[in-house]
Amino acid sequence: KNQVEQSPQSLIILEGKNCTLQCNYTVSPFSNLRWYKQDTGRGPVSLTIMTFSENTKSNGRYTATLDADTKQSSLHITASQLSDSASYICVVSLGVSQAGTALIFGKGTTLSVSS
Amino acid sequence: KAGVTQTPRYLIKTRGQQVTLSCSPISGHRSVSWYQQTPGQGLQFLFEYFSETQRNKGNFPGRFSGRQFSNSRSEMNVSTLELGDSALYLCASSSTRNTEAFFGQGTRLTVV
Repeated sequence: KNQVEQSPQSLIILEGKNCTLQCNYTVSPFSNLRWYKQDTGRGPVSLTIMTFSENTKSNGRYTATLDADTKQSSLHITASQLSDSASYICVVSLGVSQAGTALIFGKGTTLSVSS
Repeated sequence: KAGVTQTPRYLIKTRGQQVTLSCSPISGHRSVSWYQQTPGQGLQFLFEYFSETQRNKGNFPGRFSGRQFSNSRSEMNVSTLELGDSALYLCASSSTRNTEAFFGQGTRLTVV
């Protein structure tokens, strides 16, 4: 069964601190892995998208890693800011097939940054 | 460049009614996907359209349907609404299939 599991479910950190969110997946065929940030009441916004051959990708203070062998990904946030408070969703895209393509979503990690 | 536009933003319907949600993708994008988001289940894939054809469908009952027009705009219809259909419905567009998806702000549907 295609699944994406994220941990922790929620996280509280102090402003300025770093944190790492985890994503484990069992998806086949794999096409790419994406991290999204979703503010409350708004649509998700893409942070990074990585294909099978990419190990690391950065977007400002966000750095995603991908280990295709162990089927694990992480999202590291450096020097957190209050505006980082949001839900972070790991999404794995199935490889394109005749039947079509689909995104498999994790349930997200809710990050709260406090001052 | 305008983003993905979903209308309406909020909707309240009664059980048994039907509802139609609209999504206008980013100009030039031909792939549109729909998702349901609830606190308990998270984001779940509903269906994907590309060039007016449904390419994939998630595990939802037949009450959920959609279509895409020649200008890539898409509509989603839910018939015989149930209380459990209350959710945030998100639409995402991408230039081609399996490239980066851009989400709209969603339509918050409440069934009473």
